[in-house]
Amino acid sequence: GAVVSQHPSRVICKSGTSVKIECRSLDFQATTMFWYRQFPKQSLMLMATSNEGSKATYEQGVEKDKFLINHASLTLSTLTVTSAHPEDSSFYICSALIAGAYNEQFFGPGTRLTVL
Amino acid sequence: QKEVEQNSGPLSVPEGAIASLNCTYSDRGSQSFFWYRQYSGKSPELIMFIYSNGDKEDGRFTAQLNKASQYVSLLIRDSQPSDSATYLCAVLSMEYGNKLVFGAGTILRVKS
Repeated sequence: GAVVSQHPSRVICKSGTSVKIECRSLDFQATTMFWYRQFPKQSLMLMATSNEGSKATYEQGVEKDKFLINHASLTLSTLTVTSAHPEDSSFYICSALIAGAYNEQFFGPGTRLTVL
Repeated sequence: QKEVEQNSGPLSVPEGAIASLNCTYSDRGSQSFFWYRQYSGKSPELIMFIYSNGDKEDGRFTAQLNKASQYVSLLIRDSQPSDSATYLCAVLSMEYGNKLVFGAGTILRVKS
């Protein structure tokens, strides 16, 4: 299957700081990437859809000014958690879409964010 | 509200048995159906997808789709302890811009 990487895999930061997470499609181009958040023992929650060259589309209840998404190239999307607080601690996962007949999504390995 | 329902489990099966995982969905416009496996602390891994009624086999895995009943299942033959994980059913509808709707997942435990 297609390979998607994320960096960093783990990050610990102080409350009030900003954290940037990168998502890269390594062997294909992805015009669309998705950002998910997963709390312990819960399923994935879609936060936003990232489209190359245009503004991200955020799901209801997700603050666009807090979770900044940039999709500047066909292989890279970034999520910046601004002014992070302990309640933002979670597992953040991106996926990249292979557009076509089946629209498969391949997931990155995830980023574990801990805000102290 | 577009929903995907899964039994949370845990589903326990002995090694070598067939594990049967089930999923129902509410959106009749759904077009593609995916099964992901997620190990604890890891991100989901795509196992297989299905879009036509009937069965689709890939190695030890068989996905079954019945659109009339809005039901999709995953069978795992010759279950191994390494198959122990959470299995996520996901449904895609073009109406919602290629966004996947995930079920809560079923925990599978294969006992040796």
